[in-house]
Amino acid sequence: DVKVTQSSRYLVKRTGEKVFLECVQDMDHENMFWYRQDPGLGLRLIYFSYDVKMKEKGDIPEGYSVSREKKERFSLILESASTNQTSMYLCASSPPAWDNEQFFGPGTRLTVL
Amino acid sequence: AQSVTQLDSQVPVFEEAPVELRCNYSSSVSVYLFWYVQYPNQGLQLLLKYLSGSTLVESINGFEAEFNKSQTSFHLRKPSVHISDTAEYFCAVISNTGKLIFGQGTTLQVKP
Repeated sequence: DVKVTQSSRYLVKRTGEKVFLECVQDMDHENMFWYRQDPGLGLRLIYFSYDVKMKEKGDIPEGYSVSREKKERFSLILESASTNQTSMYLCASSPPAWDNEQFFGPGTRLTVL
Repeated sequence: AQSVTQLDSQVPVFEEAPVELRCNYSSSVSVYLFWYVQYPNQGLQLLLKYLSGSTLVESINGFEAEFNKSQTSFHLRKPSVHISDTAEYFCAVISNTGKLIFGQGTTLQVKP
């Protein structure tokens, strides 16, 4: 069974902290994605990666960075967390072709106080 | 630029009633369309997709969607819903750079 796992389901951090969200996939997928999900806004793409050490900005990259040192792992980093980054964060992976299904992790609900 | 609009944020319906979740898209390139479903406390999973060919596509659990090019729509329908269909549904389109663009989501609330 294919799987995308995220390191935490719930996370509470303080303003200004550095936050790491980890995502691991076991399907040998080339593409990996980070989205944030907010009510009424759907999912918005933060960053994606189509290969190890490669990354591309999505629609809302400000305040975030990413790291992909291994094919199966894609990390999202909040350099200095702010309250407006309180959200649900979803990781996904897919094979390289555009029309392929994306497989999603269960999400991390991050609260920044 | 591509965009997706889901016209209803919430759709309440009684069990065994039919339902339609509306989705309109704008795209200037070839259209690949998707419906994803998110059950409570879970990640998203693919429900069905349209890439080419027959404009009517079906899922394994009784949902169907019809690609209508003239109306730029990809509405999701089910003739008889179950309590277990309660979830949030997202319509999405592939952009010309290969990224998924999601609609705002529609919460389907099935009542007994």
